Amino acid sequence: DQQVKQNSPSLSVQEGRISILNCDYTNSMFDYFLWYKKYPAEGPTFLISISSIKDKNEDGRFTVFLNKSAKHLSLHIVPSQPGDSAVYFCAARFSGANNLFFGTGTRLTVIP
Amino acid sequence: GAVVSQHPSWVICKSGTSVKIECRSLDFQATTMFWYRQFPKQSLMLMATSNEGSKATYEQGVEKDKFLINHASLTLSTLTVTSAHPEDSSFYICSGQGTDTQYFGPGTRLTVL
Repeated sequence: DQQVKQNSPSLSVQEGRISILNCDYTNSMFDYFLWYKKYPAEGPTFLISISSIKDKNEDGRFTVFLNKSAKHLSLHIVPSQPGDSAVYFCAARFSGANNLFFGTGTRLTVIP
Repeated sequence: GAVVSQHPSWVICKSGTSVKIECRSLDFQATTMFWYRQFPKQSLMLMATSNEGSKATYEQGVEKDKFLINHASLTLSTLTVTSAHPEDSSFYICSGQGTDTQYFGPGTRLTVL
């Protein structure tokens, strides 16, 4: 049973524009959410996270928004750059636990 | 960020043979390491959690006798796929638990003929 879902397998955005990647989850007991970025033949690298007590976290060009009532989070990248082209995974974990539940990923392509 | 390496990065083996995959945390000590598996177009699925010096905890549906995990030191965990079959062909990724997040290795592509 997929508890974390990314319904868009791919997204193409023009350089300089905003990229919005979406993620939905089913278990309201998740209390921490993370976004990872993955290049081909490499492992995922941590990008940004958000605790369930917040609704927004910003780090440079990356902002994560959390809507607990909708069980939805999104990652905004602005402005998008060609180097942002990668597969983005959202992940969630329970309080006090380290193991992560991953979505299926969204492949972002930023067109120069 | 912290670095995790995996070896080998790619392995092809015959059905029925065993394959060992190494996962090393290069610049930090990982008391806890995780092993994931990713099939095409699917998400990373946690297989097992290993704590240094103790037995691994396997997720439901993962055969502990088939996927042997050893975490003998704070910087090394190994996954041995025993009697591999074509359905075990997958991308195996390990991670080490850091202070705030997991740091992932580059993955190992296993193909069983």
